[in-house]
Amino acid sequence: QKEVEQNSGPLSVPEGAIASLNCTYSDRGSQSFFWYRQYSGKSPELIMSIYSNGDKEDGRFTAQLNKASQYVSLLIRDSQPSDSATYLCAVNFQPGNMLTFGGGTRLMVKP
Amino acid sequence: SAVISQKPSRDICQRGTSLTIQCQVDSQVTMMFWYRQQPGQSLTLIATANQGSEATYESGFVIDKFPISRPNLTFSTLTVSNMSPEDSSIYLCSVVGSTYEQYFGPGTRLTVT
Repeated sequence: QKEVEQNSGPLSVPEGAIASLNCTYSDRGSQSFFWYRQYSGKSPELIMSIYSNGDKEDGRFTAQLNKASQYVSLLIRDSQPSDSATYLCAVNFQPGNMLTFGGGTRLMVKP
Repeated sequence: SAVISQKPSRDICQRGTSLTIQCQVDSQVTMMFWYRQQPGQSLTLIATANQGSEATYESGFVIDKFPISRPNLTFSTLTVSNMSPEDSSIYLCSVVGSTYEQYFGPGTRLTVT
């Protein structure tokens, strides 16, 4: 069974700090990896996708993928209170196919 | 990314009744999915909505309980049948974009009393 694991948190960081969110997955054949942000009462919003080993940066967000360790992470630099949300890691085995979600990590950024 | 709308945005229903949720996309998409998010939980895939054929259901979900239609490449419906309080959830449709990224509709918040 394909599984995606995340620490549920809450992860609390002060404003301006770097928030580090981690995710591990069980299926070594997984090909595509995504980070979604979900505010309370809202639907998930895609913030990062990564497909190959290494780092991918987009503004304050950096996704890191290590397929050998089956590990994907999301770094949020200069964290803001508006970043407070639940972050969902999602993985799929075949591009364009169904996603398997982790349980999500709740991030709290304190002013 | 595609613009996705869902109707209704929320509803309160009595047990034993059925509710049909609509998902409309502003462009043709090949892959469309239906997910459920129970209170305080992550997302669980219900089924893949296949255009012109029967949906593909995940383990634990059956067609009699969650019939799905997909008459064309921009529209799908999910019906939650014979509802019980355990069906109280957020139901989300999602589509796959041209770069294989998946986007979600705004969701339908269902409360069953």
